[in-house]
Amino acid sequence: EVQLVESGGGLVQPGGSLRLSCTASGFTFTKYWMSWLRQAPGKGLEWVATIEEDGNVKHYVDSLKGRFTISRDNAKNSVFLQVNSLRAEDTAVYYCARENWGVDYWGQGTLVVVSS
Amino acid sequence: DIVLTQSPLSLPVTLGQPASISCRSSQSLVYSDGNTYLNWFHQRPGQSPRRLIYKVSNRDSGVPDRFSGSGSGTDFTLKISRVEADDVGIYYCTKGTPWPPTFGQGTKVEIK
Repeated sequence: EVQLVESGGGLVQPGGSLRLSCTASGFTFTKYWMSWLRQAPGKGLEWVATIEEDGNVKHYVDSLKGRFTISRDNAKNSVFLQVNSLRAEDTAVYYCARENWGVDYWGQGTLVVVSS
Repeated sequence: DIVLTQSPLSLPVTLGQPASISCRSSQSLVYSDGNTYLNWFHQRPGQSPRRLIYKVSNRDSGVPDRFSGSGSGTDFTLKISRVEADDVGIYYCTKGTPWPPTFGQGTKVEIK
């Protein structure tokens, strides 16, 4: 069974940083691209970033480039999202997801709240 | 980027009756390999999304056959043949390839 478990969310002040983590199990991690997506309260789904199998190629939504960094550790079946210079509008549930010609599996999400 | 437009955005339905959601793309979603990577997700309140349909019309494992997907090019439809109480929530169409991924605005299905 595919499982994706996120962690690392929480309350952070504007301008702060967080490192979100996602641990995968139930599939061969090194064969898949992995993504982070987010959903602001009461809003729709937004793709944030994707990293290819070997970690060398990364894709970002243009509006977040420079503040968000995706990485992975294939030895630990994990993918990460470093989020810096956080703003109120970054408040959202952040989901880790597996890419298979489009997202197929999602984690349960981790909530990030940016507030003073 | 390709824009996906869903309609309606709100869909009150009667239990046991059919429901239909449209998803229109600003460009053809036929990829160079001949496939169309248009998927449908269902998100129940307080839960993460679950994929129902991939590549237009293929049901994921465990998805009831009440759900069906159809369409081609730029016009796609998700149909529920007989709505059950468990079907409430928000339905999203999404495209994977070609990059970047995009989502429709979501259609909220509720029971009348």
